[in-house]
Amino acid sequence: QVQLVQSGAEVKKPGASVKVSCKASGYTFTSYYMHWVRQAPGQGLEWMGIINPSGGSTSYAQKLQGRVTMTRDTSTSTVYMELSSLRSEDTAVYYCARDLEGTRFDPWGQGTLVTVSS
Amino acid sequence: QSALTQPASVSGSPGQSITISCTGTSSDVGGYNYVSWYQQHPGKAPKLMIYDVSNRPSGVSNRFSGSKSGNTASLTISGLQAEDEADYYCSSYTSSSQRVFGTGTKVTVL
Repeated sequence: QVQLVQSGAEVKKPGASVKVSCKASGYTFTSYYMHWVRQAPGQGLEWMGIINPSGGSTSYAQKLQGRVTMTRDTSTSTVYMELSSLRSEDTAVYYCARDLEGTRFDPWGQGTLVTVSS
Repeated sequence: QSALTQPASVSGSPGQSITISCTGTSSDVGGYNYVSWYQQHPGKAPKLMIYDVSNRPSGVSNRFSGSKSGNTASLTISGLQAEDEADYYCSSYTSSSQRVFGTGTKVTVL
């Protein structure tokens, strides 16, 4: 079955960077784009960006431009999301989610909690 | 890109029907038939419930249905059950080829 397994929780200091991984299985990794979505505590979902695992092209939400980088490793079927210059407002659960036909997210990873605190 | 507008909360008694709205603009909801809906229980990842406005993925109950009129999409849950109590989010494709989520709606089963 299609499965997305993310890396574990992280605690970072303000100004640092974090890199979250998402390992895909159960389908052809390079055939489906992957999104990253985050959710601050008690808040709604926020779309962060998308990566094409085939060629590596990316598109990021304007709000995060310059701080977010999405990459992939086709040899391990893993996508990565790196967020730099972390601030307290970046404390959130970060999800990867597979794109289907450009119109929906399915399935989702289990989520990775990133806590930014001094 | 501003978030799509959803009511903060909707409630209903078991067996009743409820409808959640999702209002955007002509650059997202109104411009494309690419609205999807997600159910999220506390501490869990979101789950796809409706896609392309009104399509249900395999395995999702037919008590869930979707529609759209102009810049507003809607999710209807009929025959409300206790297990339907959760947060619901809409999402849309946008004119800049990005995605946007709704503000989220907490559904309470009375």
